[in-house]
Amino acid sequence: DTGVSQDPRHKITKRGQNVTFRCDPISEHNRLYWYRQTLGQGPEFLTYFQNEAQLEKSRLLSDRFSAERPKGSFSTLEIQRTEQGDSAMYLCASSPVYGGNEKLFFGSGTQLSVL
Amino acid sequence: EDQVTQSPEALRLQEGESSSLNCSYTVSGLRGLFWYRQDPGKGPEFLFTLYSAGEEKEKERLKATLTKKESFLHITAPKPEDSATYLCAVEETSGSRLTFGEGTQLTVNP
Repeated sequence: DTGVSQDPRHKITKRGQNVTFRCDPISEHNRLYWYRQTLGQGPEFLTYFQNEAQLEKSRLLSDRFSAERPKGSFSTLEIQRTEQGDSAMYLCASSPVYGGNEKLFFGSGTQLSVL
Repeated sequence: EDQVTQSPEALRLQEGESSSLNCSYTVSGLRGLFWYRQDPGKGPEFLFTLYSAGEEKEKERLKATLTKKESFLHITAPKPEDSATYLCAVEETSGSRLTFGEGTQLTVNP
């Protein structure tokens, strides 16, 4: 499978716990994005990387959220001290630098439920 | 701030009954308008990009059009397999992030 891979597919956690999600982009895609989607809504931008550099962060991204892409390949998104409002689908997407969002491919997401 | 509004929220059609979905947008400088299809439990799947008013693109039973303030996704003679949520998104000239609308949930009954 050469698509965007996300792990885990589902995560159930208790309020106050920390969670970490992983995203493996399409090989050789320089750009990697994180979006969050709640039921009945469109995806909301969280942050994006070009190679290992985090170039943009949404104002929606509180201090409890941190994302990394240490070697410019896979990325992790960590949420500390989870709250019920963090329950959502977390989507990762990747694209090459040339071709931009026309060549943006999404993974199937990690569904987070905070109890 | 960019704003994208889609209507209707939900649409139920009979197989073969053509219709249109609307996407209205407000953006300071439009680089591109995107249409995606999303199936339950999956990430959005790219359909079209439109860059300038008057542009049209087609794919099978789908046709997307763009004006300076809105875009339409026309579905001709839909089939049950066209049932999905259709998302519209805009990209500003100043950045690479997409701003999505809330989507239109389309159901096509056989």
